[in-house]
Amino acid sequence: AQTVTQSQPEMSVQEAETVTLSCTYDTSENNYYLFWYKQPPSRQMILVIRQEAYKQQNATENRFSVNFQKAAKSFSLKISDSQLGDTAMYFCAFPLAQKLVFGQGTRLTINP
Amino acid sequence: NAGVTQTPKFQVLKTGQSMTLQCAQDMNHEYMSWYRQDPGMGLRLIHYSVGAGITDQGEVPNGYNVSRSTTEDFPLRLLSAAPSQTSVYFCASSYSRQGNTEAFFGQGTRLTVV
Repeated sequence: AQTVTQSQPEMSVQEAETVTLSCTYDTSENNYYLFWYKQPPSRQMILVIRQEAYKQQNATENRFSVNFQKAAKSFSLKISDSQLGDTAMYFCAFPLAQKLVFGQGTRLTINP
Repeated sequence: NAGVTQTPKFQVLKTGQSMTLQCAQDMNHEYMSWYRQDPGMGLRLIHYSVGAGITDQGEVPNGYNVSRSTTEDFPLRLLSAAPSQTSVYFCASSYSRQGNTEAFFGQGTRLTVV
């Protein structure tokens, strides 16, 4: 059963706008990590940001930040001041046992 | 520092043919895994390894074999290719169990089975 859900298959915004990608997951564990990966047209998988569940503070990496709602099991990615180079597939990933489980992905297009 | 190296980048097979996708990492990572990526389904785990000599099945293991004779290498074998195995394949490695540390990915192999 899918334990990570990304409900937005595609999104499109104008350059410099802010965009939020959503992700929900299901787990009974209390301590875990959550990840957002970016896959540009080059196909390379790149880690964007990581959140530790026991930390209440939301993770931030430059223009990328997360809104982590542990009780709601929600882990959204916010991209501020979007750039053309942000155009990519974005995957939310959650560890299950010794494996990473990925969401279906959101295809984000930044328009000039 | 090469990271995770996957070969080949592209491959076309005929139904019934066999082949091996190569994966090597130079980061001394214990954990290695193989995923396939299909449209609308994200990445799904095929097989994984927690160390040399130890492998286990993931979510979609049928039609694939793996072995881990060294820490560095984790090849994926397609025994008898089928059109349903047309996909993009990724090898990944991480220092510890995939969930606590970042997974590093190869550049992927686009495989077409005709």
